[in-house]
Amino acid sequence: DGGITQSPKYLFRKEGQNVTLSCEQNLNHDAMYWYRQDPGQGLRLIYYSQIVNDFQKGDIAEGYSVSREKKESFPLTVTSAQKNPTAFYLCASSIGRGVSYEQYFGPGTRLTVT
Amino acid sequence: AQTVTQSQPEMSVQEAETVTLSCTYDTSESDYYLFWYKQPPSRQMILVIRQEAYKQQNATENRFSVNFQKAAKSFSLKISDSQLGDAAMYFCAYSNYQLIWGAGTKLIIKP
Repeated sequence: DGGITQSPKYLFRKEGQNVTLSCEQNLNHDAMYWYRQDPGQGLRLIYYSQIVNDFQKGDIAEGYSVSREKKESFPLTVTSAQKNPTAFYLCASSIGRGVSYEQYFGPGTRLTVT
Repeated sequence: AQTVTQSQPEMSVQEAETVTLSCTYDTSESDYYLFWYKQPPSRQMILVIRQEAYKQQNATENRFSVNFQKAAKSFSLKISDSQLGDAAMYFCAYSNYQLIWGAGTKLIIKP
C-alpha cells in the first residue's frame, strides 16, 4: 500500500537532548513537509522540501533541522534549541509544490519532552 | 498575509441531521485552492473536499458539499445525513503554494 509512515507514534525525551523523527513515503512524491500541531491551533509549517537535497524553512523553523538525502525520506530533528518541543508532529507529501496539489499525511508522532 | 479563520471551536449535531462548519479567509490573490481536511481521533489527516477559486460551481463529494462565496471570502462545509464516523476535528486550509490552516472545529455527533 502506498502511503506515509512516521515512527515512532510516541516519543519521550529529556530536555537538552536532540531527537529525530522519521518520515518515509512510497508515493513517489517530490514535495515533503513537516508540520507542528498544538491544541487549539491549526497546523504550522516547520520545513518543506521540493526536491532531493533541497529544503526551505517554514514559519516556525527555529530549533529544528531537516535533511532530504533520498526522495522517500525527510527526517526532522528537534534540537535542544527548540524552547517548547512537546507537540504532535505531522509529516506530509504531495506530487509537487503547486497550488492545487493535495497533501497526504502520515499518522503523526507525539513528542513529549520533560 | 493570508489568514484562515474558523469561528466555531466546537459544533454538535444529531445523527442523520445536517451541519454546516464555517470558514473565512483573507487573501489578495485571485487564484488559489481551498481545502477541508478531517482529523478523526486517530489523528490521521484526511482530505474531505477541495475547491478551485476560479470555479463558481461548489464542490461536492457524496454527503459533503461546500458553499464557496469568493467575494465574501467564505468557504463553509455542509455535512448531510451526519454519521457517527463523521466525528472529528475539521480544518479549513487555503493554498497558494503554501497551506495556511484554520484552528479547526471539533464536530460531535449525537446518537
